[in-house]
Amino acid sequence: AQSVSQHNHHVILSEAASLELGCNYSYGGTVNLFWYVQYPGQHLQLLLKYFSGDPLVKGIKGFEAEFIKSKFSFNLRKPSVQWSDTAEYFCAVNARYSSASKIIFGSGTRLSIRP
Amino acid sequence: GAGVSQSPSNKVTEKGKDVELRCDPISGHTALYWYRQSLGQGLEFLIYFQGNSAPDKSGLPSDRFSAERTGGSVSTLTIQRTQQEDSAVYLCASSTDRGYNEQFFGPGTRLTVL
Repeated sequence: AQSVSQHNHHVILSEAASLELGCNYSYGGTVNLFWYVQYPGQHLQLLLKYFSGDPLVKGIKGFEAEFIKSKFSFNLRKPSVQWSDTAEYFCAVNARYSSASKIIFGSGTRLSIRP
Repeated sequence: GAGVSQSPSNKVTEKGKDVELRCDPISGHTALYWYRQSLGQGLEFLIYFQGNSAPDKSGLPSDRFSAERTGGSVSTLTIQRTQQEDSAVYLCASSTDRGYNEQFFGPGTRLTVL
């Protein structure tokens, strides 16, 4: 069964700092990968996703993530964070081509940005 | 258009009582998920419905938890004989096709068991 690990539970950065949040998954087959974000008081929403093709995926609000198959990783990056990026970030994985495959989420990383 | 809706938004109950949580997915979405979000615990998968297939119940934490989806649309999550450890935010999400497309989340139901 697939699983997702997010090793950073809480990250604190100053505005304009660069961000990288780690995500590793466990599954031997082909996967779909997602990053979701939950801003304070709001619903979870999709930040970006990878299905196939270019392993460097660009999402909303200047975020990007790189799929490295050999490392089973899908780390989220942003060159320069803003105070409005304060939120909780969840990595998720789904086993592609499985007949009834659920999407599994990591435990989340809370990002706090100091203004 | 309308998104995923959940009711009630907040539910306070006494230990031992049964509760029902409702989810209205986006019209036409065949996949529906229930998750539990506890403080510091991330998103815990509970159950997954996909079309007419048998649901994936592998995430339900105990036999006190059950869910059904009537007519391929509305879903109800039932917790019997609630315990204090059931206190959490229960999230519902829906998506198209086989569930590997984007999930759209509802606002959640905050359950507090006293």
